[in-house]
Amino acid sequence: EPEVTQTPSHQVTQMGQEVILRCVPISNHLYFYWYRQILGQKVEFLVSFYNNEISEKSEIFDDQFSVERPDGSNFTLKIRSTKLEDSAMYFCASTPAGGLSYEQYFGPGTRLTVT
Amino acid sequence: LAKTTQPISMDSYEGQEVNITCSHNNIATNDYITWYQQFPSQGPRFIIQGYKTKVTNEVASLFIPADRKSSTLSLPRVSLSDTAVYYCLVGRTNSNSGYALNFGKGTSLLVTP
Repeated sequence: EPEVTQTPSHQVTQMGQEVILRCVPISNHLYFYWYRQILGQKVEFLVSFYNNEISEKSEIFDDQFSVERPDGSNFTLKIRSTKLEDSAMYFCASTPAGGLSYEQYFGPGTRLTVT
Repeated sequence: LAKTTQPISMDSYEGQEVNITCSHNNIATNDYITWYQQFPSQGPRFIIQGYKTKVTNEVASLFIPADRKSSTLSLPRVSLSDTAVYYCLVGRTNSNSGYALNFGKGTSLLVTP
């Protein structure tokens, strides 16, 4: 069964550094998302992406964040200058065209630790 | 987005049926009800979605009364591996655009032997 994959599984970085989190959505999916979950808290929406542009973003997704689909398979989340409060699990998700948009397929997550 | 209310936690023994109820008094006409499951350190996983009456799949059943102000996720004969957090979400589905899922705190289900 096709799955969303994410790399790395765990990323440790120093405050102020740039990080890029990578996701490979399911191959025939067209809508892509990033969410984050701070330890012990709820899953929070960051951004959705369709047709090579952002379709929706939350207040969390400020100028420090950017997303890109650099080729036909990868979907990346970049944090330009990490802060301690960016420490969280980051989940990528995708949905196919014509599918139920509330049925999103999540990856296993990248645990980002900012020190 | 309709606000949802569900119990913070529930306990069950293996083999029992578990029913988790979610209240969504302000549900709109176009809203669907969706449930997700999340195991520790994993991403959420879609379980089931419905609009009214009853929906059943290989994992669970979803019961929605006529007024749609609440819904009940039913897990038949739970096992230890059903220990997870269960989220109820309410909102419009639109196959032409991606939707931001608005997760609440969910219900933490603990299944014990």
